[in-house]
Amino acid sequence: DQQVKQNSPSLSVQEGRISILNCDYTNSMFDYFLWYKKYPAEGPTFLISISSIKDKNEDGRFTVFLNKSAKHLSLHIVPSQPGDSAVYFCAASPTGTASKLTFGTGTRLQVTL
Amino acid sequence: EAGVAQSPRYKIIEKRQSVAFWCNPISGHATLYWYQQILGQGPKLLIQFQNNGVVDDSQLPKDRFSAERLKGVDSTLKIQPAKLEDSAVYLCASSLGGAGSNIQYFGAGTRLSVL
Repeated sequence: DQQVKQNSPSLSVQEGRISILNCDYTNSMFDYFLWYKKYPAEGPTFLISISSIKDKNEDGRFTVFLNKSAKHLSLHIVPSQPGDSAVYFCAASPTGTASKLTFGTGTRLQVTL
Repeated sequence: EAGVAQSPRYKIIEKRQSVAFWCNPISGHATLYWYQQILGQGPKLLIQFQNNGVVDDSQLPKDRFSAERLKGVDSTLKIQPAKLEDSAVYLCASSLGGAGSNIQYFGAGTRLSVL
């Protein structure tokens, strides 16, 4: 069963606009959430995280929003840049830390000029 | 600071053969993970080590997969015998361990093709 779902396999956004990537989860024990970015032929790279005690975390152009009641989180990238083109994975953990991760299937973001 | 090193980068074998992957984590990282990423899916945790002890191997197919981290540093993951469905990218990750967020840092992976 897919406990972490990313229902959009791909997303195309113009440079300078906002990119919004979505993630849903089913396991109510998840209490720590992360986004990873992956370029071709490289391993995933940590981007941003959020604990379940918060509903928003911001780091530069990247903001993650968490809606616990809806079991939904989203990643906002503003403004989007061509270098942001990559596959983005949502991940969740029940341990309060980044250990024991369950990953979603990923969303491929393409930022066009 | 050097990242997580994995080798080989690519491996092609025939079914029923054996294969081994090697991982060298970031220096000082106590926790080491092996993941399997099948095409079109997210990484799936196979095994987690804390130093040289196994913390979680609940998703490791133990009839054919084995892993070890003998001195608490490098690790090897072995598949014997391989099946067609083992074709995937095998990712190694490491984290500091202990208290804190324990962000995992990934290597570039080994792409395995089983023919």
